[in-house]
Amino acid sequence: NAGVTQTPKFQVLKTGQSMTLQCAQDMNHNSMYWYRQDPGMGLRLIYYSASEGTTDKGEVPNGYNVSRLNKREFSLRLESAAPSQTSVYFCASARGQRSTDTQYFGPGTRLTVL
Amino acid sequence: AQSVTQLDSQVPVFEEAPVELRCNYSSSVSVYLFWYVQYPNQGLQLLLKYLSGSTLVKGINGFEAEFNKSQTSFHLRKPSVHISDTAEYFCAVTTYNTDKLIFGTGTRLQVFP
Repeated sequence: NAGVTQTPKFQVLKTGQSMTLQCAQDMNHNSMYWYRQDPGMGLRLIYYSASEGTTDKGEVPNGYNVSRLNKREFSLRLESAAPSQTSVYFCASARGQRSTDTQYFGPGTRLTVL
Repeated sequence: AQSVTQLDSQVPVFEEAPVELRCNYSSSVSVYLFWYVQYPNQGLQLLLKYLSGSTLVKGINGFEAEFNKSQTSFHLRKPSVHISDTAEYFCAVTTYNTDKLIFGTGTRLQVFP
């Protein structure tokens, strides 16, 4: 039981390049989330998916797109990376669709945009 | 809209000493409160949460927190810390009419031998 896995662990991009961050969970959870973590700002929600086939914007969605490929996988895409997107990205999942459900986090992807 | 404030960005403490990490929230409706911990180079994991009932909530690793509605606080405490408690601690809040968690900016607990 791997829990929540994220790939890659580290990535360096040049401004304007695109990439997709992958996330998968093996806990049969319904909800999945993408957060970014920046120093002094805590975690901010980018996008979330309450169930397969649905996605919604969070607090900071600009510059990102997401795909809930199936119940297990939730990917985050940067179409044209900018230095302001340098951050640590965390994927999380939860059993239910309520905000009170415990979220389980992956180990993170550290992204640097030059 | 709700918000959460963690008053201390860093808390240094010696091993076996008690510690309190402060968290205050703002909301016009009833809240649900959480503490998550992030060990170095790892994702976050739940320490404890308050949904209803007893205002004193016990979590993993000997931590506890008390919900104080009049003070709008949810401070995290441990009577005797260990080196392995060195981590970043995040307070988070949500309400019944939202589907999102709002995280605080985090408190870095550094335990010295």
